[in-house]
Amino acid sequence: ETGVTQTPRHLVMGMTNKKSLKCEQHLGHNAMYWYKQSAKKPLELMFVYSLEERVENNSVPSRFSPECPNSSHLFLHLHTLQPEDSALYLCASSQLYRGDYGYTFGSGTRLTVV
Amino acid sequence: GESVGLHLPTLSVQEGDNSIINCAYSNSASDYFIWYKQESGKGPQFIIDIRSNMDKRQGQRVTVLLNKTVKHLSLQIAATQPGDSAVYFCAESLKNTGNQFYFGTGTSLTVIP
Repeated sequence: ETGVTQTPRHLVMGMTNKKSLKCEQHLGHNAMYWYKQSAKKPLELMFVYSLEERVENNSVPSRFSPECPNSSHLFLHLHTLQPEDSALYLCASSQLYRGDYGYTFGSGTRLTVV
Repeated sequence: GESVGLHLPTLSVQEGDNSIINCAYSNSASDYFIWYKQESGKGPQFIIDIRSNMDKRQGQRVTVLLNKTVKHLSLQIAATQPGDSAVYFCAESLKNTGNQFYFGTGTSLTVIP
């Protein structure tokens, strides 16, 4: 275990469904992130929760909605997704301003939109 | 945004040989770099990092070299093993962006037994 747990590991959903991805970190970090990983593309930062403030990437469609109820938990709510949203969604955490070690990633949720 | 690029998308090496994975970055203000390894079905895992005030850093079987003059980063893996087969990413962090990292597309390393 890396200290960052993501559930579910796999998710298949229709375009009209609503689902949520969950991330939990057990490292005492103060920042959490959602990344999208598509084939042959760099990791795309979607959302950041940093010191309990949300930093949003404006290019993320509104059909993705993050929620961070506390410093240990992060959710990504999904609704009316498109097939091109199929990807691996990675959660990460870090300790801000320590400057070392970067992110600790979870194993990801493999999302397939049908 | 920043550009972090890798010279080769795939690399195949014989077991026991040394591997070298390269990465180019474009912003001279980047001050912290990390190499990640991502195995199939898993998230990226931290391998080794280096700050811009260093040229070289060694870990267990891995060495990272930083050439700031040409903005180039490399990861050397000694005595490559089958378990080293994975995708390797470099990531750079820019000054004054908090803890935000920019990632390359990755190099897929295949170790031939």
